[in-house]
Amino acid sequence: EVQLVESGGGLVQPGGSLRLSCEVSGFTLSDHYMDWVRQAPGKGLEWVGRTKNKVNSYITEYAASVKGRFTISRDDSKKSVYLQMNSLKIEDTAVYYCVCWRSGAASWGQGTLVTVSS
Amino acid sequence: DIVMTQSPDSLAVSLGERATINCRSSQTIFFRSYNKDGLSWYQQKAGQPPKLLIYWASTRESGVPDRFSGSGSGTDFTLTISSLQAEDVAVYYCQQYYSSPCTFGQGTKLEIK
Repeated sequence: EVQLVESGGGLVQPGGSLRLSCEVSGFTLSDHYMDWVRQAPGKGLEWVGRTKNKVNSYITEYAASVKGRFTISRDDSKKSVYLQMNSLKIEDTAVYYCVCWRSGAASWGQGTLVTVSS
Repeated sequence: DIVMTQSPDSLAVSLGERATINCRSSQTIFFRSYNKDGLSWYQQKAGQPPKLLIYWASTRESGVPDRFSGSGSGTDFTLTISSLQAEDVAVYYCQQYYSSPCTFGQGTKLEIK
């Protein structure tokens, strides 16, 4: 069974940093694209970024709203994907979800809440 | 970026009746290599993560009731709930995964009339 568990959310001041983790089980991480998607309170879903699989050299892609501030990485040996968030803004406040792609179908974690506030 | 536009924004349907939600992409999302459209439908209930209902525009995810179906091709897609149940009250989103950024529609709120 595919499982994704996010952690690392919390309260951070504007301009601060936070690192989210996504621990996976039930599949071989190196074979799959992994995304981060966020949802601000009461709002819709926003794709944040992606790390491609090993065959595609783990290439990363980002939404324009986070490019240059957020970095996605992965450690296949630890079965984990990470989202390093720097220079955080109030508008980055959201639940952040980890998503695994498997042949066109996406599996989602439960999410972790990030609150950016002074 | 590919823009995904859902209609309507909200919808009220009687129990047992059909509910239809539309999603339009600003450009084609057809994968020639797979001969399929890269479109998913999700259901999100309050306080829960999105749940995958449909992928490749018309493939139902395992465990999803068969009253949910997806159709369409090219740039116009539809999610149909054939007989609305009380537990179907939720917000529904489409997402294209043809190209990054993998954009979502704005969501359609489905309620009971």
